Amino acid sequence: DQQVKQNSPSLSVQEGRISILNCDYTNSMFDYFLWYKKYPAEGPTFLISISSIKDKNEDGRFTVFLNKSAKHLSLHIVPSQPGDSAVYFCAASARHSGAGSYQLTFGKGTKLSVIP
Amino acid sequence: NAGVTQTPKFQVLKTGQSMTLQCAQDMNHNSMYWYRQDPGMGLRLIYYSASEGTTDKGEVPNGYNVSRLNKREFSLRLESAAPSQTSVYFCASSRDPYSNQPQHFGDGTRLSIL
Repeated sequence: DQQVKQNSPSLSVQEGRISILNCDYTNSMFDYFLWYKKYPAEGPTFLISISSIKDKNEDGRFTVFLNKSAKHLSLHIVPSQPGDSAVYFCAASARHSGAGSYQLTFGKGTKLSVIP
Repeated sequence: NAGVTQTPKFQVLKTGQSMTLQCAQDMNHNSMYWYRQDPGMGLRLIYYSASEGTTDKGEVPNGYNVSRLNKREFSLRLESAAPSQTSVYFCASSRDPYSNQPQHFGDGTRLSIL
């Protein structure tokens, strides 16, 4: 049972255009959401996050939107650059019922290719 | 400015061999994590340590053991490797496991079991 879903395995976008990566979740206990970027042979790098009490967070070219009623979030990259080509993971955080600490649940990732 | 360091980067094992993956962080973080990533899959939590001296199971702990050696180091051990454990293993750390904060990842260990 996948609690965090990224339904698009891949996405191709022209340089300079907008990239929109989508993520859906099922667990209502998630209260913090993150996007990670991963290049080949490297570890995931934190990109941007959003708390469940907000609906938008912006950092430079990157904006994350959260729609709690739809259990949906999206990452917008404007303008897209060739260096943005990577795999993007959506992750959601919830407090573990036993230990009380927060744990992340990851989606399967979307491979973004930005074409020059 | 190392962050999270994992060793080795690559390893090939035979079925039944044992292996310890090492992880160290220099950010004075309290919590550390081990994940595995399989092709076409997201990262899945194997074990974590919320603080020095504590460890807990994650989503996929079977076949693994962990040791939180000190605040800096968190190792993952495969006692009897199986082909199903072929994967890329990532270690991560975060400052406070009881508040929402990003985790910081190492570059991974690519493990093949024949």
